[in-house]
Amino acid sequence: GQQLNQSPQSMFIQEGEDVSMNCTSSSIFNTWLWYKQDPGEGPVLLIALYKAGELTSNGRLTAQFGITRKDSFLNISASIPSDVGIYFCAGWGRGGNTPLVFGKGTRLSVIA
Amino acid sequence: GAGVSQSPRYKVAKRGQDVALRCDPISGHVSLFWYQQALGQGPEFLTYFQNEAQLDKSGLPSDRFFAERPEGSVSTLKIQRTQQEDSAVYLCASSLYGGNTEAFFGQGTRLTVV
Repeated sequence: GQQLNQSPQSMFIQEGEDVSMNCTSSSIFNTWLWYKQDPGEGPVLLIALYKAGELTSNGRLTAQFGITRKDSFLNISASIPSDVGIYFCAGWGRGGNTPLVFGKGTRLSVIA
Repeated sequence: GAGVSQSPRYKVAKRGQDVALRCDPISGHVSLFWYQQALGQGPEFLTYFQNEAQLDKSGLPSDRFFAERPEGSVSTLKIQRTQQEDSAVYLCASSLYGGNTEAFFGQGTRLTVV
């Protein structure tokens, strides 16, 4: 099946630093979604990307849909303690009925 | 409702017991998905409904797992004769249409089989 490779697996950063994480795939995805999951909660949608090359922002978050449609990245600027959590990329493959596939997540820790 | 609602939030089952997990999707959402999330892992696809039709159940790990959505709204994931390896968080998501749209998740049901 389709696989998403997400990196890095974990990050420890100082408050105020910028963060970058990415997701790659061996196959083409039509839509990329980025989620954040806090402990004991379900994933919360942060950003949705629908077009190759698209760059979308949501507050301090910026995400891009790669030109090749096989990758996406998420940047967080000026990190704050509440950014702590696990970030997942997810993609819809080709075909209307393919399931939403997830990466294994990037665990972000912010040191105040 | 405003979001996807799952119940119960927590379930402890004795090995061999049957369990039923409920998902109330966002009103009007056509598509509904079930995922299984093991500790420290990303969500793994189980099954997908479009209205009442189960279009894909390729992710169900065994025939002990069964899902239904009889009226195209609420869905139930049933696990028969639970085993310890079934312990995980079960997440439900819904989207307005099928693929290539935003999918919204519930808070999940944490199942612990003892």
